Amino acid sequence: AQSVTQLDSQVPVFEEAPVELRCNYSSSVSVYLFWYVQYPNQGLQLLLKYLSGSTLVESINGFEAEFNKSQTSFHLRKPSVHISDTAEYFCAVSRSNDYKLSFGAGTTVTVRA
Amino acid sequence: SAVISQKPSRDICQRGTSLTIQCQVDSQVTMMFWYRQQPGQSLTLIATANQGSEATYESGFVIDKFPISRPNLTFSTLTVSNMSPEDSSIYLCSVGFGQYEQYFGPGTRLTVT
Repeated sequence: AQSVTQLDSQVPVFEEAPVELRCNYSSSVSVYLFWYVQYPNQGLQLLLKYLSGSTLVESINGFEAEFNKSQTSFHLRKPSVHISDTAEYFCAVSRSNDYKLSFGAGTTVTVRA
Repeated sequence: SAVISQKPSRDICQRGTSLTIQCQVDSQVTMMFWYRQQPGQSLTLIATANQGSEATYESGFVIDKFPISRPNLTFSTLTVSNMSPEDSSIYLCSVGFGQYEQYFGPGTRLTVT
């Protein structure tokens, strides 16, 4: 079975500062990796994913995540955050060729002016 | 992508009663799932809703407590039976789409008193 650890439960950050959300996983088989975002009072949205190929993946709103197989990590970064990035971020993993997701506990990002 | 709706969006129920949650998708999908998000916690997969056959439940979840129907490729229901306050959660349906992506419904916020 897969498991996901998000190392930070709360990350306060000032507007225009960089942010990194850490995610580590454990699995005995190949995995796919995902970051989901849940904005206040909204549903869960897919932010980005890694299936194969380039280990650096990017989202349309400036986030990026890098798959590091040796460290079993998939950390999420953004060089300059906006107030609108305030949300809860979930790292998730599935076995390759499988849809079923295991989620981390989530990281709450609060961006302050 | 897919547009997913859930009914009801929220409900307050008395212990010992049952609630059926509906999930409707705007296109035919093979993979459909039900998750639970308990207060302050992450998402946990309850079951995979299989069209035309019995749902596949994850460890810790049983059909008697969470019966699921999937009559066609666009619709599913989850019933929370004989509810107790511990069942107070957000229940979400999701669909598998494209390259192992999942899209989530807005969720049903259930409070059991």
